[in-house]
Amino acid sequence: GQQVMQIPQYQHVQEGEDFTTYCNSSTTLSNIQWYKQRPGGHPVFLIQLVKSGEVKKQKRLTFQFGEAKKNSSLHITATQTTDVGTYFCAASTGGSQGNLIFGKGTKLSVKP
Amino acid sequence: DAGVIQSPRHEVTEMGQEVTLRCKPISGHDYLFWYRQTMMRGLELLIYFNNNVPIDDSGMPEDRFSAKMPNASFSTLKIQPSEPRDSAVYFCASRRGRASNQPQHFGDGTRLSIL
Repeated sequence: GQQVMQIPQYQHVQEGEDFTTYCNSSTTLSNIQWYKQRPGGHPVFLIQLVKSGEVKKQKRLTFQFGEAKKNSSLHITATQTTDVGTYFCAASTGGSQGNLIFGKGTKLSVKP
Repeated sequence: DAGVIQSPRHEVTEMGQEVTLRCKPISGHDYLFWYRQTMMRGLELLIYFNNNVPIDDSGMPEDRFSAKMPNASFSTLKIQPSEPRDSAVYFCASRRGRASNQPQHFGDGTRLSIL
């Protein structure tokens, strides 16, 4: 079945450093969503990307959708301890019902 | 507005016992999803419903797992008999509309431990 590969699996950074997680698919995607899960919590929707080459920003977070709509990235500038958690991409190829395929996530830890 | 409500939050039981997990989706959401999350396998889609009808149950691991949605405001996921390898966090999520570009809203999950 379709898979979405997400790297890295883990990332440890010093507070203030930047962080990036990448999401790749072998097939063209209809759209991609990003979710954040805090330790002990549940996934929470962050943003959605739909257009080829789209870039969206939320404060220190920058989300990109590749030109070929097969990859995406999330970049956090100057990490803070509140950024700790696991970041998931979730992709859809469209179709009649549009269920999502989740990547395995990147677990971010931030050392103060 | 109330979010997705799951119960129980935690369940510890012995293998062989029946386990029932419950979910109340957000009012007005017509899609409901059941996920299982483990360290090894990540977040796996088990089954999802549209207007109370199961659409895709290909993610259900085996016949020990069953899910129902008797009405728009309630769904259950049942494991009978339970096994230690079923230990995981089970999430329910709901969504409004058929388009895949609508966000999914997750409940707090049920942390299940089978001894």
